[in-house]
Amino acid sequence: KQEVTQIPAALSVPEGENLVLNCSFTDSAIYNLQWFRQDPGKGLTSLLLIQSSQREQTSGRLNASLDKSSGRSTLYIAASQPGDSATYLCAVNNAGNMLTFGGGTRLMVKP
Amino acid sequence: DTGVSQDPRHKITKRGQNVTFRCDPISEHNRLYWYRQTLGQGPEFLTYFQNEAQLEKSRLLSDRFSAERPKGSFSTLEIQRTEQGDSAMYLCASSLGSGKYEQYFGPGTRLTVT
Repeated sequence: KQEVTQIPAALSVPEGENLVLNCSFTDSAIYNLQWFRQDPGKGLTSLLLIQSSQREQTSGRLNASLDKSSGRSTLYIAASQPGDSATYLCAVNNAGNMLTFGGGTRLMVKP
Repeated sequence: DTGVSQDPRHKITKRGQNVTFRCDPISEHNRLYWYRQTLGQGPEFLTYFQNEAQLEKSRLLSDRFSAERPKGSFSTLEIQRTEQGDSAMYLCASSLGSGKYEQYFGPGTRLTVT
């Protein structure tokens, strides 16, 4: 059974800092991995999708990497802004169907 | 291209009552998923449809839960005889297909059982 862990559970940084969020998973036989953002009381916004054959994906200030063999992914956020404050979730697609989510990292960027 | 929509956004009900939620996926998406998220946790898979066929159900989906997707369009999730433990955010997602395709999520329905 796939298990997904996100570390740290919470993170507080000053504005402008570069930061890395970590995601690890136990079963490396994945189709893809998605990173999501969730604002309080809201749904999930997809940030990046990395296919199993890819090593990284970039969108603006965000860069996600995938090391399937070691069961790890990182989300790098450059030059953080207060508007980046949210919970970030990673999710793994194993069988091509449902996603298995980590518990999320709650990020606070202070002005 | 409109996104995934869910209705209602919030529902407060008394224990023992039945509730029904609706999800409208992105048009042409043949896969539709339901997840449940409790406070401070990541979402957990409940069930998914390929067109109108319900292909998989999680063991989280007790006998009090039923989901349908008539004609392969919108989907409904019904909870009978609600319990306080059913209080959660119910999220719907859709995708073009299986495997490599990205899942797009709706805004969710927040259920509170009093």
